[in-house]
Amino acid sequence: QKEVEQDPGPLSVPEGAIVSLNCTYSNSAFQYFMWYRQYSRKGPELLMYTYSSGNKEDGRFTAQVDKSSKYISLFIRDSQPSDSATYLCAMMNLQGGSEKLVFGKGTKLTVNP
Amino acid sequence: NAGVTQTPKFQVLKTGQSMTLQCAQDMNHNSMYWYRQDPGMGLRLIYYSASEGTTDKGEVPNGYNVSRLNKREFSLRLESAAPSQTSVYFCASTLTGREQYFGPGTRLTVT
Repeated sequence: QKEVEQDPGPLSVPEGAIVSLNCTYSNSAFQYFMWYRQYSRKGPELLMYTYSSGNKEDGRFTAQVDKSSKYISLFIRDSQPSDSATYLCAMMNLQGGSEKLVFGKGTKLTVNP
Repeated sequence: NAGVTQTPKFQVLKTGQSMTLQCAQDMNHNSMYWYRQDPGMGLRLIYYSASEGTTDKGEVPNGYNVSRLNKREFSLRLESAAPSQTSVYFCASTLTGREQYFGPGTRLTVT
């Protein structure tokens, strides 16, 4: 079993839809949970990160972490064509000083006008 | 600030040739990383450097070597390129460990 599982999609939605992107993980030691956005032929950029369980909101984006279920989600409200990109979840365990991220494979999202 | 820069942007190599991918950051970050990204495989860590003079293997280090030349620069070397190393290579850096900043990538094809 991979440490981080993410459905690669592709996911296609109409403009204005609510998008839900998800990842599951197996390592209970993960403490930080990130979402990166990657536009075609560009490097990933950090959208937001969450420490431990709970929710975090930033504009139209909400990240949720459920450590009991080992499940994280990213919700995009009022999706726009400019949100079309690949979204990668990533996780980190800082214990022992390790600063390595483990990435999911990414979900490709297309928002149609 | 340029952030993280990578050279070259594109490269085509023949099997057995060598090359060095260059990465530099101007954000005074301590840690730097090299990843490869392949279709269906996501981002995989090749090597990692927590500080100048230190390097650590990642998930897929075979066939690669790295040098942390100074705090700004972290290079990745392919000594004898193989078709399996055809990929997009990303360099990243971070101050806190949580927020990694990525470069624009190098698209490498090995024929």
